[in-house]
Amino acid sequence: KQEVTQIPAALSVPEGENLVLNCSFTDSAIYNLQWFRQDPGKGLTSLLLIQSSQREQTSGRLNASLDKSSGRSTLYIAASQPGDSATYLCAVNDSGTYKYIFGTGTRLKVLA
Amino acid sequence: GAGVSQSPSNKVTEKGKDVELRCDPISGHTALYWYRQRLGQGLEFLIYFQGNSAPDKSGLPSDRFSAERTGESVSTLTIQRTQQEDSAVYLCASSLTLTNTGELFFGEGSRLTVL
Repeated sequence: KQEVTQIPAALSVPEGENLVLNCSFTDSAIYNLQWFRQDPGKGLTSLLLIQSSQREQTSGRLNASLDKSSGRSTLYIAASQPGDSATYLCAVNDSGTYKYIFGTGTRLKVLA
Repeated sequence: GAGVSQSPSNKVTEKGKDVELRCDPISGHTALYWYRQRLGQGLEFLIYFQGNSAPDKSGLPSDRFSAERTGESVSTLTIQRTQQEDSAVYLCASSLTLTNTGELFFGEGSRLTVL
């Protein structure tokens, strides 16, 4: 059974810092991995999707990597800003079931 | 539509009543998912639909929960005889495809409160 874990559960950093969020999954049979952000009381906003054959994806200050064989992904945020404060979730599209399995998220706070 | 649309955005109901939640996916998206998010918790898979294939209902927590989708259009999630533990945000998402390029897009959710 696919399980997704995110570390740390919460993170507080001063503005301008570069930071790394971690996501691990137990079964490497995935179609893709997707990173989302969720603001309080809101739905999820897609940030990056990495297909199973890809190693990384970049969008602006965000860079996500995928190491499928070791069951790990990282989301790198460069030059963090207070507007980056949100909960970040990763999800894997399990190729056995087509379900997206989510981690419990990392709650990020960027201090001005 | 431009994005995934869900209604109602908020629903307060009394224990024992039935509720219906609606999801309108992005036009052309063949896959549609329902998730439940309890306060402070992660996303819990409920059900997904893919085109005209039989839905995967493996995440529905009890027979009080059911969902329908006609073709590749609107879906409704129905909860019968609501209980207080059903209080949560119900999130709907759609994807163009189920394969490796299938990016998932979410609606804003329907917040259900059962008194």
